[in-house]
Amino acid sequence: SQTIHQWPATLVQPVGSPLSLECTVEGTSNPNLYWYRQAAGRGLQLLFYSVGIGQISSEVPQNLSASRPQDRQFILSSKKLLLSDSGFYLCAWSEWDSNQPQHFGDGTRLSIL
Amino acid sequence: TQLLEQSPQFLSIQEGENLTVYCNSSSVFSSLQWYRQEPGEGPVLLVTVVTGGEVKKLKRLTFQFGDARKDSSLHITAAQPGDTGLYLCAGARDSNYQLIWGAGTKLIIKP
Repeated sequence: SQTIHQWPATLVQPVGSPLSLECTVEGTSNPNLYWYRQAAGRGLQLLFYSVGIGQISSEVPQNLSASRPQDRQFILSSKKLLLSDSGFYLCAWSEWDSNQPQHFGDGTRLSIL
Repeated sequence: TQLLEQSPQFLSIQEGENLTVYCNSSSVFSSLQWYRQEPGEGPVLLVTVVTGGEVKKLKRLTFQFGDARKDSSLHITAAQPGDTGLYLCAGARDSNYQLIWGAGTKLIIKP
């Protein structure tokens, strides 16, 4: 069966520090991968998605970036975090067909001080 | 920009009452997905509706896709405290890898 791992679960970082959140998927090949940010109790804002290795589409201009160095690995990064980067970050995967459901990791709670 | 308007934003009711959550759009979707999310976790798929007019039931939850595939509803009968959570709808289009997400309905069922 397929599984998705996202870490860390919680992260506290000072303003201006770098960021690296990692997400890996097991049990499937060539998945679509997604990074979302979610405000408390609200819907999901798509940040990046990838349909293959090295293919990244950005949805929202910001100081974040994403990379997909391997088929089942998706990384969210920042060189310098801002206070506004605080939030709940979710990684998800899906089959190639958009009508297939997305499967989510347990998220990372990021707090910027 | 495609929008999927979800209402109500927040709902707090007593155990045993019925409720309906709505997702509406001016766009046609190839399918509509409903998710439920617990605090500190990722959303989990409840159901996918694909055909216009389709009705799917999951125990006390009834999901309906509009005839024109532009809207959907989630009806909960005799709500239980275990139904508490954030409910999210998401629309899919064949030409796009992304889902269009509603803003979510935070549901609290009081014992």
